[in-house]
Amino acid sequence: AQTVTQSQPEMSVQEAETVTLSCTYDTSESDYYLFWYKQPPSRQMILVIRQEAYKQQNATENRFSVNFQKAAKSFSLKISDSQLGDAAMYFCAYRSGNPKAGGKLTFGQGTILTVHP
Amino acid sequence: NAGVMQNPRHLVRRRGQEARLRCSPMKGHSHVYWYRQLPEEGLKFMVYLQKENIIDESGMPKERFSAEFPKEGPSILRIQQVVRGDSAAYFCASSPWGGSTEAFFGQGTRLTVV
Repeated sequence: AQTVTQSQPEMSVQEAETVTLSCTYDTSESDYYLFWYKQPPSRQMILVIRQEAYKQQNATENRFSVNFQKAAKSFSLKISDSQLGDAAMYFCAYRSGNPKAGGKLTFGQGTILTVHP
Repeated sequence: NAGVMQNPRHLVRRRGQEARLRCSPMKGHSHVYWYRQLPEEGLKFMVYLQKENIIDESGMPKERFSAEFPKEGPSILRIQQVVRGDSAAYFCASSPWGGSTEAFFGQGTRLTVV
C-alpha cells in the first residue's frame, strides 16, 4: 500500500518570503500522480498543483512550484512571494496511475502554514 | 457550473441515531469518492462509487457505514447508530471518469456526535 508522509506539522513564513513544505511517499509503482491541496479554514479542498510521475520537469503554477525527486520519492512544494491568503493546511496526496485502482487519493497528515505580515 | 455540493454543512446527532450525508457531484460527473477527516489528521479514503455501483469500498468500516449513488439524485453516505468516534468532517469528491486525474471536492459535512 502507498503511504504519504508530511514531517512538518507546522511551518511559518513572513509575507513576501519563500517557504518549502516537505512530502515523501512510498510506492512500488512507476506510474502515479502527486498533488498538493490547500485547505483554508473554510474546509474547501483546493488543488494547488499536480505532477505526473513520468514527467521529469517540475510542475509550476504561478507562485507555486514543486521539487519532484522520483528516485528519492520526495515531492516538496515551494511557495514564493508568500501572501496572507496562502495561510492554510496543505496536504500532499498520491494517486495510482493503475486504472484498476480507480482515482482514490492517499493523503499525508498535513502541514499548517502560517503567514506573518 | 455549480461545484460539488454537500449537505448539510454541519450535522449534530446523538449517540445511536442515524446520520445521512449527501453529495451532489459536478454536472456531468458520474464518479464519486467519499473521504473522512478526523480532527488533526489528513483525509482518509472511504469508498468510490459510480452510478448504481460501488467500485471500491476498501476504506469503509465494516459495520454501520454504507454508501450509495443512485441513478437519479445525490450520493448518500449513511452512518447508523453513530458513536462519538464518528465525529469528523466527511468530504465528497467527484470526477468525470475513473481515469481522470483531477477530483473536485465539496466543502464537507462536519458531523458531531453528542
